[in-house]
Amino acid sequence: DAGITQSPRHKVTETGTPVTLRCHQTENHRYMYWYRQDPGHGLRLIHYSYGVKDTDKGEVSDGYSVSRSKTEDFLLTLESATSSQTSVYFCAISESGQRSSYEQYFGPGTRLTVT
Amino acid sequence: AQSVTQLDSQVPVFEEAPVELRCNYSSSVSVYLFWYVQYPNQGLQLLLKYLSGSTLVKGINGFEAEFNKSQTSFHLRKPSVHISDTAEYFCAVSGRLSGGYNKLIFGAGTRLAVHP
Repeated sequence: DAGITQSPRHKVTETGTPVTLRCHQTENHRYMYWYRQDPGHGLRLIHYSYGVKDTDKGEVSDGYSVSRSKTEDFLLTLESATSSQTSVYFCAISESGQRSSYEQYFGPGTRLTVT
Repeated sequence: AQSVTQLDSQVPVFEEAPVELRCNYSSSVSVYLFWYVQYPNQGLQLLLKYLSGSTLVKGINGFEAEFNKSQTSFHLRKPSVHISDTAEYFCAVSGRLSGGYNKLIFGAGTRLAVHP
């Protein structure tokens, strides 16, 4: 299994509070991704990173920001959590290279509930 | 733009019966295709992938999938399922992000429920 951990694994927070989720990898992979998983939607990309301090938006980035100060860590921040951000969040990583970089390895997920 | 449609949201099946989970994609360019499996309360695990070559791809746990370019399909099959195959299965197709980087586009998922 790819060395990917996410913390916390579960979190309950109140509307309007800031929340930061952490993804940590030990594979030294270049690319890192944050997804959210909701019933009927599969996985939707929030943000991604293609190197240290290099990040960009995915398809559902509103209300989220990210940072990557080290190769191994990718942080996802909800500046002011809303109930619509209740979801399961997955981090994924992939290697460099033309074909191999499509293959992604996933962390165990963080279940976030915003009340 | 690429997209993925998983034709069944749920598939109930009895143990030791065969199963097929259907996936169709749309793309104007050559694609790479993937199936992932998600067991309860876990992350996604790669089941198999099609990059090029033989259109019949074999994966882990006895699963296989066939790439059909003319039908734009990548259906997943297993000749005899076990209770332990109960999980959610996601089909994914390769794509490009606005910055030119690679991405995966996921279907909505198919929940396979294997009954004794």
